[in-house]
Amino acid sequence: GAGVSQSPRYKVAKRGQDVALRCDPISGHVSLFWYQQALGQGPEFLTYFQNEAQLDKSGLPSDRFFAERPEGSVSTLKIQRTQQEDSAVYLCASSLGDWGRGTDTQYFGPGTRLTVL
Amino acid sequence: AQSVTQLDSQVPVFEEAPVELRCNYSSSVSVYLFWYVQYPNQGLQLLLKYLSGSTLVKGINGFEAEFNKSQTSFHLRKPSVHISDTAEYFCGHQGGSEKLVFGKGTKLTVNP
Repeated sequence: GAGVSQSPRYKVAKRGQDVALRCDPISGHVSLFWYQQALGQGPEFLTYFQNEAQLDKSGLPSDRFFAERPEGSVSTLKIQRTQQEDSAVYLCASSLGDWGRGTDTQYFGPGTRLTVL
Repeated sequence: AQSVTQLDSQVPVFEEAPVELRCNYSSSVSVYLFWYVQYPNQGLQLLLKYLSGSTLVKGINGFEAEFNKSQTSFHLRKPSVHISDTAEYFCGHQGGSEKLVFGKGTKLTVNP
């Protein structure tokens, strides 16, 4: 069956450009998460959606980061005026139920590697 | 705040040898613990998870982990590793309704 997919897999941006990263979760999954994985680090939580509602955006590093999931399925993470420190792998994950229950496994996509020059 | 410590950033081991990857978490009322594996240029794949019940958890690919509440540890073990186990391993901790927090990862290299 189809897993979580992300596009593009690789993105190179010049400093100051805007980028949009797409995530297609597993069909029917209620919860969707975005993580940022810097080089040599573990994934760090950015934001969480339950269906179309963004219930937690506490991990977004600045107001240049914006995420949406308007119809409760596909999600887009947008970064405005990219900076070099935004270079990282951005991972998307989805789970069947709501995240309040740790019993739900998060399934991860392959990630988008963003390089800001 | 939750935290996860993976004590070894790199672990080299010979093929067919046993391996243990160490993980300690910060204590919380509810504890859900996970081990994920990440192969190069891929996302994270769940190896195993502890939610409740038996402290010894068995996962895929012959891995197992033991939850130790008194030591706040969740070490990952495999009795005999293969070349194909070469990857990066991440320990994760979710306390109740809190977000999933990962350690910095341990790179396991299995040498012939």
